[in-house]
Amino acid sequence: RKEVEQDPGPFNVPEGATVAFNCTYSNSASQSFFWYRQDCRKEPKLLMSVYSSGNEDGRFTAQLNRASQYISLLIRDSKLSDSATYLCVVNFGGSYQLTFGKGTKLSVIP
Amino acid sequence: GAGVSQSPSNKVTEKGKDVELRCDPISGHTALYWYRQSLGQGLEFLIYFQGNSAPDKSGLPSDRFSAERTGGSVSTLTIQRTQQEDSAVYLCASSLGGMRELFFGEGSRLTVL
Repeated sequence: RKEVEQDPGPFNVPEGATVAFNCTYSNSASQSFFWYRQDCRKEPKLLMSVYSSGNEDGRFTAQLNRASQYISLLIRDSKLSDSATYLCVVNFGGSYQLTFGKGTKLSVIP
Repeated sequence: GAGVSQSPSNKVTEKGKDVELRCDPISGHTALYWYRQSLGQGLEFLIYFQGNSAPDKSGLPSDRFSAERTGGSVSTLTIQRTQQEDSAVYLCASSLGGMRELFFGEGSRLTVL
């Protein structure tokens, strides 16, 4: 089965906080991993790809643990504008189909 | 604009009617995806087109759903004999192919009464 599981939240954090989301996936042969962001009633947009060695983009850090089949996203120094739903996305290989998790909702509070 | 364009943005129809949803991808993008998102749910994969290859239809929920892509560009998703459970936002995305970034349209919100 192709399953991507996320804690739906919501995560309510104050500005400036550090918050982390995890995502687990069902198939150890999975090949590509991404985090997308979806604002309320808007379309999803790519936040960052997730590489095996882990990668950082400003305040955002993504990590991959293939042995445990999970991906994480860390957001440092949260901003009000970070409030959104964060979608974990996995390609399970064999095709270019991308499987989306249901998302984790983040609300950053003043 | 240069983004993915979808039409109509909103569609209200009666149960049993057929509907067509259109997607105009970003010029030059060889890959095109259709997803649907029900209220409070994640994105559900429907179908994927890549160039001239046979489409990956593995996500279509029933034979009432079909999609085509003409000339490697515009795509139409057709839902025949709509049911209330078909109500959702239908999202189209395009990419340069492979595992490149998906660019989504704003979606077509379908309501079946």
